[in-house]
Amino acid sequence: DIVMTQTPLSSPVTLGQPASISCRSSQSLVHRDGNTYLSWLQQRPGQTPRLLIYKISNRFSGVPDRFSGSGAGTDFTLNISRVEAEDVGVYYCTQATEYPLTFGGGTKVEIK
Amino acid sequence: QVQLVESGGGVVQPGRSLRLSCAASGFTFSSYAMHWVRQAPGKGLEWVASIYYDGTNEHYADPVKGRFTISRDNSKNTLYLQMNSLRPEDSALYSCARDRARAVAGFDYWGLGSLVTVSS
Repeated sequence: DIVMTQTPLSSPVTLGQPASISCRSSQSLVHRDGNTYLSWLQQRPGQTPRLLIYKISNRFSGVPDRFSGSGAGTDFTLNISRVEAEDVGVYYCTQATEYPLTFGGGTKVEIK
Repeated sequence: QVQLVESGGGVVQPGRSLRLSCAASGFTFSSYAMHWVRQAPGKGLEWVASIYYDGTNEHYADPVKGRFTISRDNSKNTLYLQMNSLRPEDSALYSCARDRARAVAGFDYWGLGSLVTVSS
């Protein structure tokens, strides 16, 4: 199974400041079709998960451009350029390159 | 807009069965793979099962293999999860999620979930 490891576990951030979350996979996420099926999800308190980024760096419909994704192979990063109050929640990376589909353990973003 | 509404959860004794349903609307259901994902209270996300757009391929997480069955009825725009031989560790909020593709490319839209509690 592909293990997804996220750091940090928790990220206290000042409003308006940037935040960065790292995700590392135990093996390459490059699919045989050439795509890398690495996504980032946001789960606000009490809400269902919401897709932010797919295939490493593609913002999903309606996602603000302060969210961006980068990386390749086994190392990936989600950046929030200027954290807003509505960004509080838990962020998960997830891979769909290989079954079983797996998630990172989550990173809690909170306001300082 | 895309809507996914789960139903069928509840409290059940260990060893019993339950069937979850996920009613889809706002998109062409038969064109997308679908998934079930669960989340125990206060815990992270755990993938449970997936089914391709036409029902030809199914995949299961090891903890549920042989006990759970995912299926779909494209004529009814509905996804199902038949859960047999339930265990206390199966207690969680079960959500259906749409895939971005016909096979598998990652989750995009999620339902609110249906709570399953396995307890004597």
